[in-house]
Amino acid sequence: RKEVEQDPGPFNVPEGATVAFNCTYSNSASQSFFWYRQDCRKEPKLLMSVYSSGNEDGRFTAQLNRASQYISLLIRDSKLSDSATYLCVVVTPSYKLIFGSGTRLLVRP
Amino acid sequence: DTEVTQTPKHLVMGMTNKKSLKCEQHMGHRAMYWYKQKAKKPPELMFVYSYEKLSINESVPSRFSPECPNSSLLNLHLHALQPEDSALYLCASSQSWTENTEAFFGQGTRLTVV
Repeated sequence: RKEVEQDPGPFNVPEGATVAFNCTYSNSASQSFFWYRQDCRKEPKLLMSVYSSGNEDGRFTAQLNRASQYISLLIRDSKLSDSATYLCVVVTPSYKLIFGSGTRLLVRP
Repeated sequence: DTEVTQTPKHLVMGMTNKKSLKCEQHMGHRAMYWYKQKAKKPPELMFVYSYEKLSINESVPSRFSPECPNSSLLNLHLHALQPEDSALYLCASSQSWTENTEAFFGQGTRLTVV
């Protein structure tokens, strides 16, 4: 089983839609969790950290479910500029930052 | 704008060449990372430095040799690479290795081995 797994997508949604991505991790003792965004041929950029209590930043909401070992990212009111690959990152008990395979989002007009 | 700077942005090298990738950050971060990313794949961890000491080596072949001359600089020395080593090499830094681990990435060096 992979350490971090994501649905590769693509998710093809119209502007204004709400879309959610999930990411599962295998090690229950994992330390920290993040969502990154990566545009084509660019570096990953930190989107948000994921806290146990959940956190929100504008149209983006991240949640952590330790019992089921998954994190989620919800994007409301999708914009064309949200089109990108969304990568979850899990920090393992040995402090390795491990990326999921990424979920591709396409927002169409 | 990224505060992690990588040079060069593009590099083409022959299999017998020796080259180095450079990474610099001025955020006072004490952990620095090298990742390798192939097309349509996620970044894969190669090395982690914490306080200028190598903390993680993910069984990377010895033709890749990392070096951390000081807390702001990270190099990756390349020697006798293979065409399959062609990839985007990403450097990242975080405040610390074990806490506040939000990592910030440089723009990467796109390496082609011919």
